[in-house]
Amino acid sequence: DAGVTQSPTHLIKTRGQQVTLRCSPKSGHDTVSWYQQALGQGPQFIFQYYEEEERQRGNFPDRFSGHQFPNYSSELNVNALLLGDSALYLCASSLVEGGPQHFGDGTRLSIL
Amino acid sequence: AQTVTQSQPEMSVQEAETVTLSCTYDTSENNYYLFWYKQPPSRQMILVIRQEAYKQQNATENRFSVNFQKAAKSFSLKISDSQLGDTAMYFCASGAGSYQLTFGKGTKLSVIP
Repeated sequence: DAGVTQSPTHLIKTRGQQVTLRCSPKSGHDTVSWYQQALGQGPQFIFQYYEEEERQRGNFPDRFSGHQFPNYSSELNVNALLLGDSALYLCASSLVEGGPQHFGDGTRLSIL
Repeated sequence: AQTVTQSQPEMSVQEAETVTLSCTYDTSENNYYLFWYKQPPSRQMILVIRQEAYKQQNATENRFSVNFQKAAKSFSLKISDSQLGDTAMYFCASGAGSYQLTFGKGTKLSVIP
């Protein structure tokens, strides 16, 4: 039973560029959440998707956007990259009716 | 709004000994959950243990147990018989239903042979 998978593992971009990160949820899960984890910090919630709609959003600017597909997989898009966007981006999946969130290995994004 | 505070940035424990990691939280939710996650250097966030706030009985999972003090908004993790593989960052988190998790800043635990 595959867990949460994320791609790519590592990505290097320059300021002003755009990036797309991808996530496939654990089998049977219908809800996908994205978190940003800066070095030495705990993860911070970006947003959550359910039924292809943004269900909840944290305190992140509109440069951060997402999408959920009919197969429950999800993408995180970040536009106009800033140096401060360098972080580990974690995807987590769960069931909408409750239960723990299961995390992927993350994508390490480095901005030069 | 929810906040989670972990006051111990780093801790160490001898192999086979017991260690307790502290966590306090604040929430306006009536029905919420508390979690401890482990993040080894491999960086995957692994669920260690979960506590439902409406349950008075403390959760246990093999060598891991919690001390949940609802009135004090305290949620500590006890690791018994520490093993080298327990070396990792440990994050306390709170959440309501299936919604967002709020994490603390983490405690770096080192198990010494």
